[in-house]
Amino acid sequence: SQTIHQWPATLVQPVGSPLSLECTVEGTSNPNLYWYRQAAGRGLQLLFYSVGIGQISSEVPQNLSASRPQDRQFILSSKKLLLSDSGFYLCAWSGGPNEKLFFGSGTQLSVL
Amino acid sequence: QKEVEQDPGPLSVPEGAIVSLNCTYSNSAFQYFMWYRQYSRKGPELLMYTYSSGNKEDGRFTAQVDKSSKYISLFIRDSQPSDSATYLCATFFGNEKLTFGTGTRLTIIP
Repeated sequence: SQTIHQWPATLVQPVGSPLSLECTVEGTSNPNLYWYRQAAGRGLQLLFYSVGIGQISSEVPQNLSASRPQDRQFILSSKKLLLSDSGFYLCAWSGGPNEKLFFGSGTQLSVL
Repeated sequence: QKEVEQDPGPLSVPEGAIVSLNCTYSNSAFQYFMWYRQYSRKGPELLMYTYSSGNKEDGRFTAQVDKSSKYISLFIRDSQPSDSATYLCATFFGNEKLTFGTGTRLTIIP
């Protein structure tokens, strides 16, 4: 069966520090991968998605970037965090268009 | 106007009651409809996945889609305290990305 791993669960970082969140999927090949951010009371915002290695699409301009160095690995990064980057970050995968979307356990990021 | 509207609640009901959670959407092209359950500080968990109009039942959960009214519902029968969570509706069409509602926070009172 397929599983998705996301870490860390909680992260507290100072303003201006770098960020790296990692997500891996097991039990499937060539998944579509996604990074979402969830702010309190504001729903899920799609940040990035990837349909293959090295293929990244950005949904919103921001202080963040994403990379997919391996088929089942998706990384969310920032060179310098802002206060506004605080939030709950979720990685997700699907088998392709029209497929069900499955989420990781999330990372609560607090930028202080 | 948001593409998917969902009453944020909070919604509190006594244990054993039938819960009705609802979303409305604006784009008639939406074809696929999902409901997710999200516990506090956890990732959303897929509960129901339906295509087009009609009902789908899974245990105590029933998803209902009325495309003529652009209205989707999730019913929970015999509600349990463990059903206390935030419920998110989501929809998409074709190769487009999922559009989510903002979620309804549900509390089942023992």
